[in-house]
Amino acid sequence: QSALTQPASVSGSPGQPITISCTGTSSNVGGYDYVSWYQHHPGKAPKLIIYDVSKRPSGVSARFSGSKSGNTASLTISGLQAEDEADYYCCSYTSSRTWVFGGGTKLTVL
Amino acid sequence: QVHLVESGGGVVQPGRSLRLSCAASGFTFASNAMHWVRQAPGKGLEWVAVISYDGSSKYYADSVKGRFTISRDNSKDTLYVQMNSLRVEDTALYYCATKGVSGFAWDYWGQGTQVTVSS
Repeated sequence: QSALTQPASVSGSPGQPITISCTGTSSNVGGYDYVSWYQHHPGKAPKLIIYDVSKRPSGVSARFSGSKSGNTASLTISGLQAEDEADYYCCSYTSSRTWVFGGGTKLTVL
Repeated sequence: QVHLVESGGGVVQPGRSLRLSCAASGFTFASNAMHWVRQAPGKGLEWVAVISYDGSSKYYADSVKGRFTISRDNSKDTLYVQMNSLRVEDTALYYCATKGVSGFAWDYWGQGTQVTVSS
């Protein structure tokens, strides 16, 4: 159950796009279309922003989008805003009927 | 409105036990699988365990397998996790979570209960 691999940090200026990658294996990310992404502000509960690789829950901004190629999933935020500054985690269902998170990525809006 | 409220956290010595609870409301609890997720201080999110809607299936992270037991009482709309043989590395904020639109993601989370394992 090794954690999925995410960059520790990314940054961007307001209005710019950023992409966060999430690399796993064929036993998790590559094997299932069950990758989700969570936004986590310190002191608050995590918020689901993408599920099933690329679907957005109701109420989540269209600036957030997800995709997958092989064993790597990606979260793209277009038009960065100050309130997007947070930690972002990917998560995947696995062949062991468990779930595994990425190590998390700290997004800084410059 | 879905509401999840965790309780039972506290400070406990290594090797001791603790039981956390998660009281659910605002949805049909008996229809949803339920999960525990934790976050250690300064660390990322870690999935801990899942129990099926009827309690018949349970799966655990390797880090807690054999020490933690997830359970539920559908008559009380409550989820539990019995944590035995606690270790310092189990120190974390423990969240319960459940699905909304997707069976493989968690729309709804509680605010968490803090567990500190320390001598």
